[in-house]
Amino acid sequence: DTGVSQDPRHKITKRGQNVTFRCDPISEHNRLYWYRQTLGQGPEFLTYFQNEAQLEKSRLLSDRFSAERPKGSFSTLEIQRTEQGDSAMYLCASSLGGADTYEQYFGPGTRLTVT
Amino acid sequence: AQSVTQLDSQVPVFEEAPVELRCNYSSSVSVYLFWYVQYPNQGLQLLLKYLSGSTLVKGINGFEAEFNKSQTSFHLRKPSVHISDTAEYFCAVSDLGNTPLVFGKGTRLSVIA
Repeated sequence: DTGVSQDPRHKITKRGQNVTFRCDPISEHNRLYWYRQTLGQGPEFLTYFQNEAQLEKSRLLSDRFSAERPKGSFSTLEIQRTEQGDSAMYLCASSLGGADTYEQYFGPGTRLTVT
Repeated sequence: AQSVTQLDSQVPVFEEAPVELRCNYSSSVSVYLFWYVQYPNQGLQLLLKYLSGSTLVKGINGFEAEFNKSQTSFHLRKPSVHISDTAEYFCAVSDLGNTPLVFGKGTRLSVIA
């Protein structure tokens, strides 16, 4: 069990550019979640997957955001035409759906700074 | 919609003193409750969880929490804190389990030597 990994850990981009983040969940976990955390706030849910199916998207997820999990393993989160308000920590978590533990395991996050 | 209120944004406490971090949630239906800790520049780590059964749950690092359904609270306690407990603590709720968590805004615990 190597834990949830995220890449990159830090990303600085100029407003208007596109960025893509990657999340590798714990290998046997079939559920994968994306959250966003801004300074002084708790994480806010963005979207989640069971295997390759995207089950739910938050209203926070504007049309500029898209997430995929093509083979039910790793996931990518893309932000198009970034805005300064997108600056945040993007957290990925995974869990074993159907288990009775309900624990989500979090990665270290990707910190995005839009200049 | 679910909501979680963490009543204190910052809690300073002296080393070896007890601490309580307060959490209230909005839902009146069955809920699953969690406390996570976040150290600087790291992801979130689960401290403890309440799913059912005994209302007093024990977690890692000497923390415990008590589920109070009538008061819709899930306060986190530790009888004696250490410098290493300095971190941000988040309370979270899920009403179905294995679904997206709703987090509070967090409480920054600062342990003073």
